[in-house]
Amino acid sequence: GAVVSQHPSRVICKSGTSVKIECRSLDFQATTMFWYRQFPKQSLMLMATSNEGSKATYEQGVEKDKFLINHASLTLSTLTVTSAHPEDSSFYICSARPGLAVETQYFGPGTRLLVL
Amino acid sequence: DAKTTQPPSMDCAEGRAANLPCNHSTISGNEYVYWYRQIHSQGPQYIIHGLKNNETNEMASLIITEDRKSSTLILPHATLRDTAVYYCIVTAPGTASKLTFGTGTRLQVTL
Repeated sequence: GAVVSQHPSRVICKSGTSVKIECRSLDFQATTMFWYRQFPKQSLMLMATSNEGSKATYEQGVEKDKFLINHASLTLSTLTVTSAHPEDSSFYICSARPGLAVETQYFGPGTRLLVL
Repeated sequence: DAKTTQPPSMDCAEGRAANLPCNHSTISGNEYVYWYRQIHSQGPQYIIHGLKNNETNEMASLIITEDRKSSTLILPHATLRDTAVYYCIVTAPGTASKLTFGTGTRLQVTL
């Protein structure tokens, strides 16, 4: 299947700093990318959907000024957690889709963020 | 998107078939049933999907009832590597379609 990568795989940062997570589709062009967050022992929660060259669409309750999403190219999307706090510690997972077919939505391996 | 209901956990002996049920009684006519799984600390993996006919691929089989209000994912010969959380998701295909994950079923395959 297609490959989606994330970098870094895990990151530890101090409270108040910003952290950038990259998501890349390695062997296809992703017209749509998705960002999810997952707390321990919970399910994935969709944070936002982004289309290349357009502003991201955020789910209800997700602060767009805190979680900045940039989908600058068809193979790269970034999530920046601004002024991170300990409650932002979570597993962040990106997903990418080349077209309309839902079954072609591939997930990255996730990035574990720990804010001290 | 229609809501789905799955049992929180199931056990299965290695080599046996694992049958994971999902209720989606409010499914609409244009909505498909998708199954994903998430192995611990990894991203979800697509398994199979269907509209109304039963489907089979190299990973699993999907049985959808005639009224489409429920479905069953079948792993014919479960192995330890199949231990994961399995998610049943109902959504219509298209540009606006989003995969919204419920609580899923935690399948534990044992020796």
